Amino acid sequence: RKEVEQDPGPFNVPEGATVAFNCTYSNSASQSFFWYRQDCRKEPKLLMSVYSSGNEDGRFTAQLNRASQYISLLIRDSKLSDSATYLCVFLDSNYQLIWGAGTKLIIKP
Amino acid sequence: ETGVTQTPRHLVMGMTNKKSLKCEQHLGHNAMYWYKQSAKKPLELMFVYSLEERVENNSVPSRFSPECPNSSHLFLHLHTLQPEDSALYLCASSQSDLRSSAMNTEAFFGQGTRLTVV
Repeated sequence: RKEVEQDPGPFNVPEGATVAFNCTYSNSASQSFFWYRQDCRKEPKLLMSVYSSGNEDGRFTAQLNRASQYISLLIRDSKLSDSATYLCVFLDSNYQLIWGAGTKLIIKP
Repeated sequence: ETGVTQTPRHLVMGMTNKKSLKCEQHLGHNAMYWYKQSAKKPLELMFVYSLEERVENNSVPSRFSPECPNSSHLFLHLHTLQPEDSALYLCASSQSDLRSSAMNTEAFFGQGTRLTVV
């Protein structure tokens, strides 16, 4: 089983819609979780950290479900500029960042 | 201007060539990383340096040789590469070694070097 699994997509979503995707992880000892965003031919950039209680940043909401070992990202009122690949990342017990392969999101006008 | 700069942005090299990738960070960070990103695959950590000392080497082939002369610069020396080594090589830095504080875990990436081995 892969350490981090993400649906590669692409998710094709109309502008203004709400979209959500999950990421599952296999290491139950993981403590820190993150969502990074990577635009086409660009480097990854931190979108948001994922806290145990869930957190929200504008149109973006991240949640952690420890029992089922997944994190989620919800994007409301999607914009064309949200089109990107979203990478799920967690910090393992060896303090290494473990990366998912990413979920590609395409927002259509 | 990005806080982490990488050169060159693109590199095509033959299997017998020797080349080096350069990374420089202007953020005052203490930890630097080399990652390999292949198409549709997760980022693979290659090397970690903390305060100029290598702390992690994820069984990377010896044809990749890192060098960290100071906390702001990181090199990846390449020799006798294989076509399967073609990928995007990303340099990143973080404020501290992830072992010291999980609160400082944001990694800042350079724009990468797109390497093609022919």
